[in-house]
Amino acid sequence: GQQVQQSPTSLVLQEGENAELQCNFSTSLNSMQWFYQRPGGSLISVFYNPSGTKQSGRLTSTTVIKERRSSLHISSSQITDSGTYLCAMEHNYAQGLTFGLGTRVSVFP
Amino acid sequence: EAAVTQSPRNKVAVTGGKVTLSCNQTNNHNNMYWYRQDTGHGLRLIHYSYGAGSTEKGDIPDGYKASRPSQENFSLILELATPSQTSVYFCASGDATGVERLFFGHGTKLSVL
Repeated sequence: GQQVQQSPTSLVLQEGENAELQCNFSTSLNSMQWFYQRPGGSLISVFYNPSGTKQSGRLTSTTVIKERRSSLHISSSQITDSGTYLCAMEHNYAQGLTFGLGTRVSVFP
Repeated sequence: EAAVTQSPRNKVAVTGGKVTLSCNQTNNHNNMYWYRQDTGHGLRLIHYSYGAGSTEKGDIPDGYKASRPSQENFSLILELATPSQTSVYFCASGDATGVERLFFGHGTKLSVL
């Protein structure tokens, strides 16, 4: 089964609404990262090795490594937030990341 | 910001042909990775490398070879391409000091007909 489980699979928002994305890990992990990907685009690191609560603009990440979970909160969503948000974990140091399937976010005016 | 460049951006190959995907990074990162991304499977690790001359198998290495001739360059080689290898391939580099942060290239869309 999937070692990294993301929910929901997709999300439709009206501009200005808030959203919370969840990521759960079925195995122990050293660290995790959140990425953002536009359709047909590259992966852009959003949060790297977050622990506790960290904020970057309208995005807030809350991660508890020991409990194997992380959430990404989007406040006051904008159309430009549309895309797929991926979480990934590092199980063993420097042996690559294991990714979830992502949450596809669509923001409409 | 880390720079990872992949070439080509798009590739159409014939079944049974040889395909080489190239990746170049200019940040002097020790570690480099090749992933493929498919609907329903997400990103999966194919091969990775700790430095020049080193290659390691990832989670799905069958049908792929990798080559790391220098710190900057990491290639993915499909000796006998099959339609099941049609996918988007991403290269990434990472700095192995402390917790590793990965920087991704823009991807190569490969179609094997």
